[in-house]
Amino acid sequence: EVQLVESGGGLVQPGRSLRLSCTASGFTFGDYAMSWFRQAPGKGLEWVGFIRSKAYGGTTEYAASVKGRFTISRDDSKSIAYLQMNSLKTEDTAVYYCTRYSSGWYPDYWGQGTLVTVSS
Amino acid sequence: DIQMTQSPSSLSASVGDRVTITCQASQDISNYLNWYQQKPGKAPKLLIYDASNLETGVPSRFSGSGSGTDFTFTISSLQPEDIATYYCQQYDNLPHTFGQGTKLEIK
Repeated sequence: EVQLVESGGGLVQPGRSLRLSCTASGFTFGDYAMSWFRQAPGKGLEWVGFIRSKAYGGTTEYAASVKGRFTISRDDSKSIAYLQMNSLKTEDTAVYYCTRYSSGWYPDYWGQGTLVTVSS
Repeated sequence: DIQMTQSPSSLSASVGDRVTITCQASQDISNYLNWYQQKPGKAPKLLIYDASNLETGVPSRFSGSGSGTDFTFTISSLQPEDIATYYCQQYDNLPHTFGQGTKLEIK
């Protein structure tokens, strides 16, 4: 059974940093691209970015709203994907979801989400 | 960015009703469209991929159709457990954008 478990969320002040982790199980982690999405309170879903598998270069893509502030990385030996968030803004407040990307390049499995609140 | 226009934004229907949601893309996305179900406090769940393919384990009362710019999601006979918000999402171009969601309620 595919499982994705996010951790690392919490309350952080504007301008500070936070790192989220996504621990995967139930599949060969290194074979898949991994992605992050977010959902602000009471709002819709927003793609944050993804990291390709090593077979596709392990390269990353980001939404314009986070480019230059957020970094996605992966540790295939531990089956963990990371979202490093720097220079956080109040508008980054959201539930952050980790997802696995299918071979068809869309998210097929989602974690339960972790809440990030950016406030002074 | 590709804009996804989903309608209606909310919908009230009775158990057993046929429910239809539409999604329009701002440009041709072929069949690179998914439909997700999200219940309160839960993560989205993939129901339909590639516009019309039912994800494994999803009840057959859910279906999708369309290609290009116009897409439709249908629940053939609404059940109480279908109360949720439904989103379309395109994955033809980055960023992978979503419709604004349709909140489905029981009448």
